[in-house]
Amino acid sequence: DAGVIQSPRHEVTEMGQEVTLRCKPISGHDYLFWYRQTMMRGLELLIYFNNNVPIDDSGMPEDRFSAKMPNASFSTLKIQPSEPRDSAVYFCASRVDGHYEQYFGPGTRLTVT
Amino acid sequence: SQQGEEDPQALSIQEGENATMNCSYKTSINNLQWYRQNSGRGLVHLILIRSNEREKHSGRLRVTLDTSKKSSSLLITASRAADTASYFCATALTASKLTFGTGTRLQVTL
Repeated sequence: DAGVIQSPRHEVTEMGQEVTLRCKPISGHDYLFWYRQTMMRGLELLIYFNNNVPIDDSGMPEDRFSAKMPNASFSTLKIQPSEPRDSAVYFCASRVDGHYEQYFGPGTRLTVT
Repeated sequence: SQQGEEDPQALSIQEGENATMNCSYKTSINNLQWYRQNSGRGLVHLILIRSNEREKHSGRLRVTLDTSKKSSSLLITASRAADTASYFCATALTASKLTFGTGTRLQVTL
């Protein structure tokens, strides 16, 4: 199995631009998670899905952030408009129902200038 | 806000020595997990201990959990240079919501 796949690996954009991060979970996994990691705040859960349905988005910082999961093999995290404080590494993770351990992708390093 | 606080923040040891990292948390948990993160990479799950367990082993890893003190420790025995990474504890209040600690940066030198 290829593991969790994220794209792009690096993204540099200017303030005000729309950014879309992509994730392909491990095949057969029922849960998908989006995290953000910064030096100041550590690793934070933004949102998670179960069977493509958003279950808890309480970690999404504000309305500029949105996430979708149109099917079991694809999810996006969109930031519109982006701001410099959104600069961070964004991780996608997945897990299978009945097991607690999560499998993380390599992350997308976002820099907003 | 972060649930877990790890101690120490950074640890430097020589190859062959044991490394111990501690994690304290604030609320009741379902389970506690430890993850490793190599520089520039994603997190990798190491071991899980349930709230009704006190100790668990996996290879060179030993995890303890003291729910009365709300603390856990991760022991890596006979460390290797390849163990150099950041280590995070993650507490699970529910099956899905993990709250990660601040991490311990481990440096293993030859």
